[in-house]
Amino acid sequence: GAGVSQSPSNKVTEKGKDVELRCDPISGHTALYWYRQSLGQGLEFLIYFQGNSAPDKSGLPSDRFSAERTGGSVSTLTIQRTQQEDSAVYLCASSHEPTGRTQYFGPGTRLLVL
Amino acid sequence: SQQGEEDPQALSIQEGENATMNCSYKTSINNLQWYRQNSGRGLVHLILIRSNEREKHSGRLRVTLDTSKKSSSLLITASRAADTASYFCATDVSGAQKLVFGQGTRLTINP
Repeated sequence: GAGVSQSPSNKVTEKGKDVELRCDPISGHTALYWYRQSLGQGLEFLIYFQGNSAPDKSGLPSDRFSAERTGGSVSTLTIQRTQQEDSAVYLCASSHEPTGRTQYFGPGTRLLVL
Repeated sequence: SQQGEEDPQALSIQEGENATMNCSYKTSINNLQWYRQNSGRGLVHLILIRSNEREKHSGRLRVTLDTSKKSSSLLITASRAADTASYFCATDVSGAQKLVFGQGTRLTINP
């Protein structure tokens, strides 16, 4: 596709359930990023992929959060045993090169944990 | 505290006026970028200024960078209602492989 896509657009889940969020980056972009944005706040960095490896996962808030990337393309962010404080918009971005380049963002997944 | 901090947090002006937003940061950078976000969803890249540049223009946007003060400003001239959005600065920090975003400025243009 022409841009970064994310699915689902919205997700409502019950506390304690697991969720998977998907990101399809722009074709050919080697770098992929996940961010979290709480209501009215800035972007909180979660994890960065270069190809299929994650050189920087320092932003993952707890071991309930994990992410993988396969084939240098699609990435999945998994949140296990969701908590209400996980409610936020999860944004994915990709760029052609890892540093100094423009990041292209997807529309985000709005997660609500009841 | 944040690497990038914008001020003001919120700005409301009349259509046709100029809007100025500021960003401060703490560490050495390779470049600084400004992004816009509508309705709390995906961000759109507006402009990138490199550490060896002092000013850059793109349409109605003017960005300045003062590395000695570790600050940048974004000026939107002749504002329009469609400019209503949140604006974020992001720093490409030397030695890191990620952008660090500020908290953003919420800009409202009143018709």
